[in-house]
Amino acid sequence: GENVEQHPSTLSVQEGDSAVIKCTYSDSASNYFPWYKQELGKGPQLIIDIRSNVGEKKDQRIAVTLNKTAKHFSLHITETQPEDSAVYFCAAQNRVRDDKIIFGKGTRLHILP
Amino acid sequence: DSGVTQTPKHLITATGQRVTLRCSPRSGDLSVYWYQQSLDQGLQFLIQYYNGEERAKGNILERFSAQQFPDLHSELNLSSLELGDSALYFCASSASGNTYEQYFGPGTRLTVT
Repeated sequence: GENVEQHPSTLSVQEGDSAVIKCTYSDSASNYFPWYKQELGKGPQLIIDIRSNVGEKKDQRIAVTLNKTAKHFSLHITETQPEDSAVYFCAAQNRVRDDKIIFGKGTRLHILP
Repeated sequence: DSGVTQTPKHLITATGQRVTLRCSPRSGDLSVYWYQQSLDQGLQFLIQYYNGEERAKGNILERFSAQQFPDLHSELNLSSLELGDSALYFCASSASGNTYEQYFGPGTRLTVT
């Protein structure tokens, strides 16, 4: 079945440095790739997304890149701040088939002071 | 605040029992999704309803069922509960048409003892 692999599972970076989280997906027909941030005790919150007709998208300090050929996509956070500490999930969706989202297992990001 | 509400916030019950979780989508959203989040399985899609009709099904057990009512709120029914059903259950909603984004509620934490 469809699968999304996410690495690393834990990431610690110094405040002000950049963080990169990488994902791969198995369903080559996937055409929508959202990223969610989940803080302790809360539901996942959509922070950025990318559709398959775009290779890169940026929103202030966060950016996503997509390589459809390799079936890879990545989240980049620059100038990290303490409030970036959370669990981040990548996901993939085949909108032609249905609205089901397949999530990666998550990355726990620690921003060190 | 995503605009999606879920009740109750916490639920503690015994094995073999039956519970009902409730979700109210964002105003105007026609689709409701249910997800289960456990430590070992991550975020798993259970089922989607669109305007009262079942639209997509994931790894939902036969002991679990859901429905969406005319006012668009949804209920997830879990029966013959087992210890392994202890998890966070999230509801998400999205608008119809070309809108891809899913907005998550705060979740219901179910503990089966």
